[in-house]
Amino acid sequence: NAGVTQTPKFQVLKTGQSMTLQCAQDMNHNSMYWYRQDPGMGLRLIYYSASEGTTDKGEVPNGYNVSRLNKREFSLRLESAAPSQTSVYFCASSEDGYRSSYNSPLHFGNGTRLTVT
Amino acid sequence: GENVEQHPSTLSVQEGDSAVIKCTYSDSASNYFPWYKQELGKRPQLIIDIRSNVGEKKDQRIAVTLNKTAKHFSLHITETQPEDSAVYFCAASREPLDTDKLIFGTGTRLQVFP
Repeated sequence: NAGVTQTPKFQVLKTGQSMTLQCAQDMNHNSMYWYRQDPGMGLRLIYYSASEGTTDKGEVPNGYNVSRLNKREFSLRLESAAPSQTSVYFCASSEDGYRSSYNSPLHFGNGTRLTVT
Repeated sequence: GENVEQHPSTLSVQEGDSAVIKCTYSDSASNYFPWYKQELGKRPQLIIDIRSNVGEKKDQRIAVTLNKTAKHFSLHITETQPEDSAVYFCAASREPLDTDKLIFGTGTRLQVFP
């Protein structure tokens, strides 16, 4: 049981290049998320997917797109990378939080460190 | 929208001492307050959480207190150990299940010196 798996672990891009960050979870969670972590800024939500087939914007969606490929996988795409997108990106998942009556903590992946030059 | 402020940004303590991290929130409707621990180079992990119908919750050496009137909540770590060294994030949301609207604080880097 791997939990949440993210690839790649590290990536360097030049301004204007594109790339896709991959995320998969094996916990049968319905909800998945992409966060970015910057020094002094905490964790900020980029996009989330409450269930397969749905996606919604978070706090900082500009410059990103997402795809919920199936229940397990949620990818984040940078179409034209900018230096401001240099960050550590975390994918996370949680159990169905919209109809359950119990706590639904976030389970994070190990992160992707992205540098845009 | 919700805003969560966290203090201090860094905290150094001697092993065995206590550590306290404080957070304030702006949305009076918030009623779920989790704390996440992130060790160096690793993923954040939930360590404890509290809901607004409870004033305090303990789990071994860690505890969280909540003051809804003042809109602040705190993490208390007693008898600190070197393995407690990490970045700690507080967060707040209106519902325990409203994870998409979970707003994080900016983090506190705790260093425990032997």
